[in-house]
Amino acid sequence: NAGVTQTPKFQVLKTGQSMTLQCAQDMNHEYMSWYRQDPGMGLRLIHYSVGAGITDQGEVPNGYNVSRSTTEDFPLRLLSAAPSQTSVYFCASSYTPPGRTDTQYFGPGTRLTVL
Amino acid sequence: GQQVMQIPQYQHVQEGEDFTTYCNSSTTLSNIQWYKQRPGGHPVFLIQLVKSGEVKKQKRLTFQFGEAKKNSSLHITATQTTDVGTYFCEGSGGSNYKLTFGKGTLLTVNP
Repeated sequence: NAGVTQTPKFQVLKTGQSMTLQCAQDMNHEYMSWYRQDPGMGLRLIHYSVGAGITDQGEVPNGYNVSRSTTEDFPLRLLSAAPSQTSVYFCASSYTPPGRTDTQYFGPGTRLTVL
Repeated sequence: GQQVMQIPQYQHVQEGEDFTTYCNSSTTLSNIQWYKQRPGGHPVFLIQLVKSGEVKKQKRLTFQFGEAKKNSSLHITATQTTDVGTYFCEGSGGSNYKLTFGKGTLLTVNP
């Protein structure tokens, strides 16, 4: 199993550009989440999904959209990039609801810079 | 809302010294998870604690969950340079099992 994969690994955008961060998992996990990590802020939940077709907002959802058309994929869309969205983005998945499981599996991350 | 405070933010030790990081929740937790993130890497699950007063050990790492299930600690005995990284706690609580991460403790080890 590849586990949780994310692409791209690095990305530089200009303010106002849009892009999609890709996340895929091959473990047949129902639950997937997107986090951003900023220095001194820890991991903050952006959006999450409890299954195909179902998504919900986390702690910091503004400026981001998600969709979950398949169990495997959970892309994160930046609609109009802003410098405040410069961060490291992690996708995670788990078999049972986060908090009821013994682990979330994290992808390798996407390092995004918005100029 | 649920908040999880983690201290210290940074800890620098000499190799061989012990290290402890603490997490304190504003609400009673259902369970707590600990993760390690190496520099430039992603969080990797270490352990889950569920029971009040639970203590678990993994080689030189000892994890504790408080009796009131509002605090937890990770203790590393005789640190090694391979222990370098950021240690996060992740608390789960409430009827909806809301997850909250602590901000992490960055451990550096001087050889």
